[in-house]
Amino acid sequence: DTGVSQDPRHKITKRGQNVTFRCDPISEHNRLYWYRQTLGQGPEFLTYFQNEAQLEKSRLLSDRFSAERPKGSFSTLEIQRTEQGDSAMYLCASSLDGESTEAFFGQGTRLTVV
Amino acid sequence: GEDVEQSLFLSVREGDSSVINCTYTDSSSTYLYWYKQEPGAGLQLLTYIFSNMDMKQDQRLTVLLNKKDKHLSLRIADTQTGDSAIYFCAEKDTDKLIFGTGTRLQVFP
Repeated sequence: DTGVSQDPRHKITKRGQNVTFRCDPISEHNRLYWYRQTLGQGPEFLTYFQNEAQLEKSRLLSDRFSAERPKGSFSTLEIQRTEQGDSAMYLCASSLDGESTEAFFGQGTRLTVV
Repeated sequence: GEDVEQSLFLSVREGDSSVINCTYTDSSSTYLYWYKQEPGAGLQLLTYIFSNMDMKQDQRLTVLLNKKDKHLSLRIADTQTGDSAIYFCAEKDTDKLIFGTGTRLQVFP
């Protein structure tokens, strides 16, 4: 296992379309996080899972966003009815548990809504 | 709420030291981190410091923590062109990270 992987790396979509991103964490990591990063800003927390349970959701995660981690391994982030303001880099990270000092990030999925 | 602030830009000559500064607001943070992001890439953890420490050194990197002033700094010795990137400080808020806006470090020959 070489690290956190995200797919796709880039996605261009038309406004109003639905998109889904996938994250595969480091295999033994039970915590998985989603962050969003817009141009010129630091990453902002969206949500996280411990195993398959979604434990916290940010106010940034509107009703159009949904995240799942059905078997406690990979996770998907879906955005419905995309808007131009959803254009951003979506980053996934994983860690061993809540007390872990280190979270490892994937390369991100860059979403462009046109 | 929690807030992490950084200066936006730093330019240094190759071989000099770079010092990137950060202030944070949450005094209960247990760990503070420095991440590096190169263009179009994810975040790479550089180093972190536990909140009961004042200093941590790791090869060319030195982290200083002033808990009273809630000030964190990252010193890069002998800065190289490969160090050009955006550097983010982050504080751990219970189960998630709160990031600063990032400092773009430009290294010129």
